[in-house]
Amino acid sequence: AQKITQTQPGMFVQEKEAVTLDCTYDTSDQSYGLFWYKQPSSGEMIFLIYQGSYDEQNATEGRYSLNFQKARKSANLVISASQLGDSAMYFCAMSAGFQKLVFGTGTRLLVSP
Amino acid sequence: DAGVIQSPRHEVTEMGQEVTLRCKPISGHDYLFWYRQTMMRGLELLIYFNNNVPIDDSGMPEDRFSAKMPNASFSTLKIQPSEPRDSAVYFCASSLATGRHQPQHFGDGTRLSIL
Repeated sequence: AQKITQTQPGMFVQEKEAVTLDCTYDTSDQSYGLFWYKQPSSGEMIFLIYQGSYDEQNATEGRYSLNFQKARKSANLVISASQLGDSAMYFCAMSAGFQKLVFGTGTRLLVSP
Repeated sequence: DAGVIQSPRHEVTEMGQEVTLRCKPISGHDYLFWYRQTMMRGLELLIYFNNNVPIDDSGMPEDRFSAKMPNASFSTLKIQPSEPRDSAVYFCASSLATGRHQPQHFGDGTRLSIL
């Protein structure tokens, strides 16, 4: 069975600094996908970034990058140049066949001025 | 492009009443998912459909919950009778079916309160 672990319940960062949100995963599958979602206080779930297990390059989307270390089974999200609007819950998730997603418990990020 | 559309955004009703949540997936998406989010249990997958056919309903908590997808552009999640412990945010999501793992795109959710 697939499992996602997010060990940081909360993180604080100052505006304009970079922050790393941790995510480790467990699966016996060879082919899988790793995703990060953002949930602001308004409640919607926003897809941020995707990494495939066979992708050799780390995924990047604007200020978001995914630090994928396959041997360590980690898929950390790096947010560069944090903005106040980045304050939200962040969920790591993985899929392994059949399109189902397994989510972690989330990390609450607070960006201070 | 329109995203996943859910209605209503908020629903408050008394226990014992029937509740129907609605979802319109992104046009062209083959998969549709229903999730429930609570503080205690986080995000739980309730059921998902592929090409309008239910594939896995193992997450549906009880027989009081049912879901249908009569066509590619519409799905409902029904709770009958509703109970206070059903209070949660219910999300609908959709994704494409391709060879690669596809992200799921979520609607804004329905915040359900059962009194």
